[in-house]
Amino acid sequence: TQLLEQSPQFLSIQEGENLTVYCNSSSVFSSLQWYRQEPGEGPVLLVTVVTGGEVKKLKRLTFQFGDARKDSSLHITAAQPGDTGLYLCAGGGQGAQKLVFGQGTRLTINP
Amino acid sequence: NAGVTQTPKFRILKIGQSMTLQCTQDMNHNYMYWYRQDPGMGLKLIYYSVGAGITDKGEVPNGYNVSRSTTEDFPLRLELAAPSQTSVYFCATNPWGTEAFFGQGTRLTVV
Repeated sequence: TQLLEQSPQFLSIQEGENLTVYCNSSSVFSSLQWYRQEPGEGPVLLVTVVTGGEVKKLKRLTFQFGDARKDSSLHITAAQPGDTGLYLCAGGGQGAQKLVFGQGTRLTINP
Repeated sequence: NAGVTQTPKFRILKIGQSMTLQCTQDMNHNYMYWYRQDPGMGLKLIYYSVGAGITDKGEVPNGYNVSRSTTEDFPLRLELAAPSQTSVYFCATNPWGTEAFFGQGTRLTVV
């Protein structure tokens, strides 16, 4: 069974601070994805990383895939209240067919 | 395009009752998934399908059954509902293992 462990599970910080969320596994993934979920909605894809060491940027969000393709991180610079939400990492195992999710990081940005 | 459509949106079941959660997609994606999400938690994979006629168990399949007779439809059957099955259920599709598209979810309460 491929497991994804996210840390921290909860994070509450002030507007303007920086933060990093981690997604770790003992298994190698062909790709890792990050999603954001708002209350009452399904998750929405933020980014997919596929190459070991890959770094992708989405405005103030920076995503990195570990060299060994077992872990990933999400870094937010100068967090805004609009960044509040549940952030989920997901990985495709068994030929990327079986998509499993981490337990999520609930992020709260206080004005 | 409607994308991924789930019905019903809300349902209350009594212990021991059965029901089918419907999921249909109009994107012609081969991969489809059923997840459950407990309050404040990540998504647990119940069952998935890589194409019509092919299904496989996920992380938490007990108490559920699925079928995939067409590319479009992937219903989830609950037999003998239990309070532990109270959750929000999400159906998702995935064109080739790199991005999941989610429905709006079905909020199920078993009393």
